[in-house]
Amino acid sequence: KAGVTQTPRYLIKTRGQQVTLSCSPISGHRSVSWYQQTPGQGLQFLFEYFSETQRNKGNFPGRFSGRQFSNSRSEMNVSTLELGDSALYLCASSSPQGSSYNSPLHFGNGTRLTVT
Amino acid sequence: DQQVKQNSPSLSVQEGRISILNCDYTNSMFDYFLWYKKYPAEGPTFLISISSIKDKNEDGRFTVFLNKSAKHLSLHIVPSQPGDSAVYFCAASEATSGSRLTFGEGTQLTVNP
Repeated sequence: KAGVTQTPRYLIKTRGQQVTLSCSPISGHRSVSWYQQTPGQGLQFLFEYFSETQRNKGNFPGRFSGRQFSNSRSEMNVSTLELGDSALYLCASSSPQGSSYNSPLHFGNGTRLTVT
Repeated sequence: DQQVKQNSPSLSVQEGRISILNCDYTNSMFDYFLWYKKYPAEGPTFLISISSIKDKNEDGRFTVFLNKSAKHLSLHIVPSQPGDSAVYFCAASEATSGSRLTFGEGTQLTVNP
């Protein structure tokens, strides 16, 4: 079974631009979550989508948004990029039940975003 | 507000010995705990989990212990192997939070041959 796939692996953007990151979950997984990893803040939860609906949202500004398609693939978008948005963005999927209780999160290898 | 804390940024042990990684939490609503391992340039990989109704869970060389009264959990790796060298993250979730995990800052484990 293929794992969680994130594209692109690396991205360099300029302040003020916007960016879209893509995630393909494990086949059959309907829950997709996004996390931001930075050296200072560690792994921070951004949001979770389940069956195309945002089910949970972390404490990030509205510049961070996401969506999920009918095939469970997900995208996250960051508008008006700031230097502090430089981070590793990780996508994770979980089982059809969509709960960490039933199935631990399976992470992709992330997209490394650098904002200059 | 750091609800999950791993107070040791790094730990170094000899091959074959026991590695003990610790994690403390403050949110009493957390009732499911997980450990992830992360290599550079890769995403975190699930290792082992424990529900709050248990105080111990084993999977091969990995054992997680939970002390609810102290809000403390630990991961024991016996015997430690050089391939175990990685960053270990403790994570916690609440029953109503779906797939939302709160992570600790991570502990860099180095196993020396």
